[in-house]
Amino acid sequence: GAGVSQSPSNKVTEKGKDVELRCDPISGHTALYWYRQSLGQGLEFLIYFQGNSAPDKSGLPSDRFSAERTGGSVSTLTIQRTQQEDSAVYLCASSISGYRDTGELFFGEGSRLTVL
Amino acid sequence: DAKTTQPNSMESNEEEPVHLPCNHSTISGTDYIHWYRQLPSQGPEYVIHGLTSNVNNRMASLAIAEDRKSSTLILHRATLRDAAVYYCILSSRNQGGKLIFGQGTELSVKP
Repeated sequence: GAGVSQSPSNKVTEKGKDVELRCDPISGHTALYWYRQSLGQGLEFLIYFQGNSAPDKSGLPSDRFSAERTGGSVSTLTIQRTQQEDSAVYLCASSISGYRDTGELFFGEGSRLTVL
Repeated sequence: DAKTTQPNSMESNEEEPVHLPCNHSTISGTDYIHWYRQLPSQGPEYVIHGLTSNVNNRMASLAIAEDRKSSTLILHRATLRDAAVYYCILSSRNQGGKLIFGQGTELSVKP
């Protein structure tokens, strides 16, 4: 498909387990963003990639959260030792170039994480 | 980050125009004004953006005040499909395209 693809679409895990969420951006998009949205809340910025580097990690809520991007394409968000407050929809977006502030962000459908 | 203020909710009738306001009194000269919307159970989608001049596209129009301290998103004929949360966001060059979402305006459309 031509859009941003995220997997899994749904993930249920037990407290204390690690989870990995994957994002496939639109081909050729150099900028990639992770957000999360708790139930009934707005979007919370987590991290931004330009190519494979992350110039802005300011939104990561704790050191249990990490993300990487390889080959300037796929990104993985990892949450270690999950807690119940991590339950949310994790959204990924990409844009042609993050340096162009007129760049439209294209969002995926999100990965819904439930921590029991 | 420059902040925006929007009403929590608005109602509209189908096939009537809708004017969604946004205040951004602390906007800087290089901040762009973006609008996104989020339909239920979906990721946000781009609606429109502008800097100083009014903008039109197939989805909507953006009217920007002369002092840029406020803007209005205009949906010319609301449909039931336009029911969504609408976010007004400012972005600047030094943010790498990052958008900081507020709470937005929940628009409901009545048939």
